Amino acid sequence: EPEVTQTPSHQVTQMGQEVILRCVPISNHLYFYWYRQILGQKVEFLVSFYNNEISEKSEIFDDQFSVERPDGSNFTLKIRSTKLEDSAMYFCASSEFLGQGAHEQFFGPGTRLTVL
Amino acid sequence: DAKTTQPTSMDCAEGRAANLPCNHSTISGNEYVYWYRQIHSQGPQYIIHGLKNNETNEMASLIITEDRKSSTLILPHATLRDTAVYYCIVVLTGTASKLTFGTGTRLQVTL
Repeated sequence: EPEVTQTPSHQVTQMGQEVILRCVPISNHLYFYWYRQILGQKVEFLVSFYNNEISEKSEIFDDQFSVERPDGSNFTLKIRSTKLEDSAMYFCASSEFLGQGAHEQFFGPGTRLTVL
Repeated sequence: DAKTTQPTSMDCAEGRAANLPCNHSTISGNEYVYWYRQIHSQGPQYIIHGLKNNETNEMASLIITEDRKSSTLILPHATLRDTAVYYCIVVLTGTASKLTFGTGTRLQVTL
């Protein structure tokens, strides 16, 4: 069964450093998402991406964040200068648009980001 | 997207049906009801969705009231592996829109 994969599974970084989180969505999917979950809190939407551009982004997704689909398979989230409060589990998801209503999102296993 | 209300937690004995309710009284005609679950700290997993008819798949059944203001997710024979947080999410049709997760219902399946 096809699945979304994410690397690395755990990333430790120093405050102020740049990190890139990588995702390989399911191959025939057209819509890509990033969510995050701070320990003990809700899953929060960050950004959605379609046709090589951002479709929607949340207030969390400020100028420190960027997304890219550098080739036909990878989807990346970059945090330019990490802060302590960026420590969270980051989930990538993808979906195929099946017309009215049907856009089940498939989630990856997540990358745990720890900022020291 | 319409807001949903779910109980904070529920218990269910293994082998019994787990019935998880969700209120979405402000749902509009073009919004679907989706259910996802999150086992421990894994990525959320899609379970089922529906618009107005009841739906069933290999994982669960979804019962939506006629006025669409509430729904119930049914796991017919809960197992220990169904212990998770279950999220009821209302999503606008025709778009690949974001999922807005609430706090969900923590289902504990016990022996």
